Amino acid sequence: EVQLVESGGGLVQPGRSMKLSCAASGFTFNNYDMAWVCQAPKKGLEWVATISYDGSSTYYRDSVKGRFTISRDNAKSTLYLQMDSLRSEDTATYYCARHNYGSYLYWGQGVMVTVSS
Amino acid sequence: DTVLTQSPALAVSPGERVTISCRASESVSTLMHWYQQKPGQQPTLLIYLASNLESGVPARFSGSGSGTDFTLTIDPVEADDTATYYCQQSWNDPPTFGGGTKLELK
Repeated sequence: EVQLVESGGGLVQPGRSMKLSCAASGFTFNNYDMAWVCQAPKKGLEWVATISYDGSSTYYRDSVKGRFTISRDNAKSTLYLQMDSLRSEDTATYYCARHNYGSYLYWGQGVMVTVSS
Repeated sequence: DTVLTQSPALAVSPGERVTISCRASESVSTLMHWYQQKPGQQPTLLIYLASNLESGVPARFSGSGSGTDFTLTIDPVEADDTATYYCQQSWNDPPTFGGGTKLELK
């Protein structure tokens, strides 16, 4: 059974940093591109970042470029999102997701990040 | 960015047929996907590449379209289908989602 389990969320002050993790199991992690997708409270879904299966390529939405870093440790089957210089508008539930033909087939349960003083 | 436009909400009775539309601001070929999200849960993939039913998804769900106009059809609708439905394109960068259509049962 495929499982994606996020951790690392919580309350953080504006301008500070936070690192999210996503532990994957039930599939060969290093065969798949992975992504982070977020959802602000009572809002829709937004793609945040994608990393290729081997970590060699990364892609970001414009609003997080230079502030967020997606990475992976294939030996640990874990995906990460380092979030720096956090802003109130980054407040959202963050989901890790596995790519599938451009769609997102498997999703974690999500982790809430609240940026507030 | 490619903007995907969905109707905000629909209300239908159980047993009826419902179509949920998604219009793209530019062509996305057939790289359109559909998700269902119930309150407090993560999204689940229903349809990928416009018309392919994801494994385990009931055959009541179907997708069609290409270019800029796409449709998710549920026939017949069941009470458990109460949810928000999102379209998502992966043809143009960055990948984008529609605003979601909230489906309510009468």
